[in-house]
Amino acid sequence: SQQGEEDPQALSIQEGENATMNCSYKTSINNLQWYRQNSGRGLVHLILIRSNEREKHSGRLRVTLDTSKKSSSLLITASRAADTASYFCAIPPGGGGSNYKLTFGKGTLLTVNP
Amino acid sequence: GAGVSQSPSNKVTEKGKDVELRCDPISGHTALYWYRQSLGQGLEFLIYFQGNSAPDKSGLPSDRFSAERTGGSVSTLTIQRTQQEDSAVYLCASSSTLGNTIYFGEGSWLTVV
Repeated sequence: SQQGEEDPQALSIQEGENATMNCSYKTSINNLQWYRQNSGRGLVHLILIRSNEREKHSGRLRVTLDTSKKSSSLLITASRAADTASYFCAIPPGGGGSNYKLTFGKGTLLTVNP
Repeated sequence: GAGVSQSPSNKVTEKGKDVELRCDPISGHTALYWYRQSLGQGLEFLIYFQGNSAPDKSGLPSDRFSAERTGGSVSTLTIQRTQQEDSAVYLCASSSTLGNTIYFGEGSWLTVV
């Protein structure tokens, strides 16, 4: 099944630094989504990037998508301690359609040290 | 409601007992999902409901797991004869028919002792 794989598995940085997380996948996609999860519950949707988009911004978040390399990256600029969380990429099955379910990778655990 | 609501937020049950977990999706959302997340792991898809279509049950790990969605709104995930390996956070999510964004509830943390 289509599944994104996040890299690195864990990332520790100092407050104010930028954090970059990557997601790779195997087959063609219609879109790719990034989610955040605090303390093992309550995923929050961050951003969706469609296959015809190369870059998307939302506040301090920047997502890029390279369909030729089948990869996406999530950049958090000027990180804060409150950004500490796990970050997941999620991918719908190829072609979307009515029978639609996301598959998630295991996530990147980001720790931002004050 | 304003968001996806799940209950109970925490449940401790004895091995062998049945449990029911409830999900109230965002009003108007026709798609509803159940996922499971074990400690330190990614999300595991369980079941998907879309409108009046037959649900996609392909992720249910065993026949002890079942789910229903009454009236196209509230859903209940039932785990019969619980086992210790069922301990996990069970996350419900919903989305609109036309949109791709999925909104998650806070989850139900199940501990089987």
